[in-house]
Amino acid sequence: GAGVSQSPSNKVTEKGKDVELRCDPISGHTALYWYRQRLGQGLEFLIYFQGNSAPDKSGLPSDRFSAERTGESVSTLTIQRTQQEDSAVYLCASSLGRGGNTEAFFGQGTRLTVV
Amino acid sequence: SQQGEEDPQALSIQEGENATMNCSYKTSINNLQWYRQNSGRGLVHLILIRSNEREKHSGRLRVTLDTSKKSSSLLITASRAADTASYFCATDAYFSGGYNKLIFGAGTRLAVHP
Repeated sequence: GAGVSQSPSNKVTEKGKDVELRCDPISGHTALYWYRQRLGQGLEFLIYFQGNSAPDKSGLPSDRFSAERTGESVSTLTIQRTQQEDSAVYLCASSLGRGGNTEAFFGQGTRLTVV
Repeated sequence: SQQGEEDPQALSIQEGENATMNCSYKTSINNLQWYRQNSGRGLVHLILIRSNEREKHSGRLRVTLDTSKKSSSLLITASRAADTASYFCATDAYFSGGYNKLIFGAGTRLAVHP
């Protein structure tokens, strides 16, 4: 596709349920990032993929959060047993990730509301 | 913790005035980037300045980088109401393990009044 695509655009879930957020990066982009943004706040780094491996998972807030990437393409971020504090916009970005060409292209995000 | 710190947190100006936003960071970087965000959704890349560059221009945008002070500034000249948005700096830094990571600051909310 022409840009980074995220789905769903909005998700309302009940506390305790699991949710899965999807990111389709730009074709050929080896680097993929997930960030979390609470209302009025900056971007909180969650996890970074280079290809299908995740050299940096340091930002995942707890073991309820996990992410995977397959085929150097689609990535899914899974939140288990959601809590109200998980409510935020989850942003995905991809970049070429090499040669200093590290401009990141962002999707429109998934707004997660835990009720 | 985040790498970058922007100031001010919020800036309110009149159309036609210049807007200056600053960013400080902590570690050595490969490059520094500025992004714009409207309405709390996807960010749009504005400009990238490499660690060996000191100044860069793009249209009404001017970015400076001082690696000795670990700081950068973004100047928007002749601002317009359409420039109203949040602006974020992001540092691209090397990490052990041979990869780069983009870390964002908390952002500056700019309001340009007609």
